Amino acid sequence: DADVTQTPRNRITKTGKRIMLECSQTKGHDRMYWYRQDPGLGLRLIYYSFDVKDINKGEISDGYSVSRQAQAKFSLSLESAIPNQTALYFCATSDPRTGGNTIYFGEGSWLTVV
Amino acid sequence: KNQVEQSPQSLIILEGKNCTLQCNYTVSPFSNLRWYKQDTGRGPVSLTIMTFSENTKSNGRYTATLDADTKQSSLHITASQLSDSASYICVVSSTLTGTASKLTFGTGTRLQVTL
Repeated sequence: DADVTQTPRNRITKTGKRIMLECSQTKGHDRMYWYRQDPGLGLRLIYYSFDVKDINKGEISDGYSVSRQAQAKFSLSLESAIPNQTALYFCATSDPRTGGNTIYFGEGSWLTVV
Repeated sequence: KNQVEQSPQSLIILEGKNCTLQCNYTVSPFSNLRWYKQDTGRGPVSLTIMTFSENTKSNGRYTATLDADTKQSSLHITASQLSDSASYICVVSSTLTGTASKLTFGTGTRLQVTL
C-alpha cells in the first residue's frame, strides 16, 4: 500500500461544481502539502500544513481551500471549479527531522474541469 | 525571481548508454538541491539531496553533482535501462529548514530509453 494515498485518482467535473480531493498518509509526518502540476511548468505549491489545523497559503492558493482535521489527512477543495484548474494534483508529506526533509509524493489526482 | 532551468527538455538514448541532465538555478539563499524521478502518471520520487558543501552524491546508477559557485547541477545516469524512462526534476530549496514554501521546481527533462 502507498504511504501517501490520494482519492480520487481521476475526476471530471463541470465548471462551477465543488470538488474535494482527499489525501491520507501512513508515514506519521506532521507536514503535508498540496501541489499542482501543469504541462511545461514546475510543480507549484497551493497550500501546506505543519500540524493539525495549521494552514498556510502557497504561491497559488486563490480558488482553493484546505482542511487538516487529523495528522494523517489533508483535503483540498475547489469551491467553484473553473477550467484553468484542470491539472494534475499531488499531495505530499515530509518530516524535517529525517532525510534532509525529503518530500514524499502521492500518486496524483487528475482533475479535468469542463 | 527564483528560477530553476533544466536542459535538455527531452532526450532519447539507447539502452545501455550514459546520459547527463543539466540544472541551472538562480535561487537564493541556497539550502539544498534535490533530484526527483517522475514516471508518467505517478508522483515524483526522490533520488538525491545535496547541501552546499556536497559536490557529488550517488544513488545506484544515478550520480548528481553540484557546483554551488556557478549554481549548476547535473544528474548522470550510467548504463541506462528501459525503466529509466521518466521525467527528472531538479528542485532547489532556499531555506535552511527546507520549508516547502521555498522550494522551486524545474520543469523537468523527459528521458526516453529505447532498445
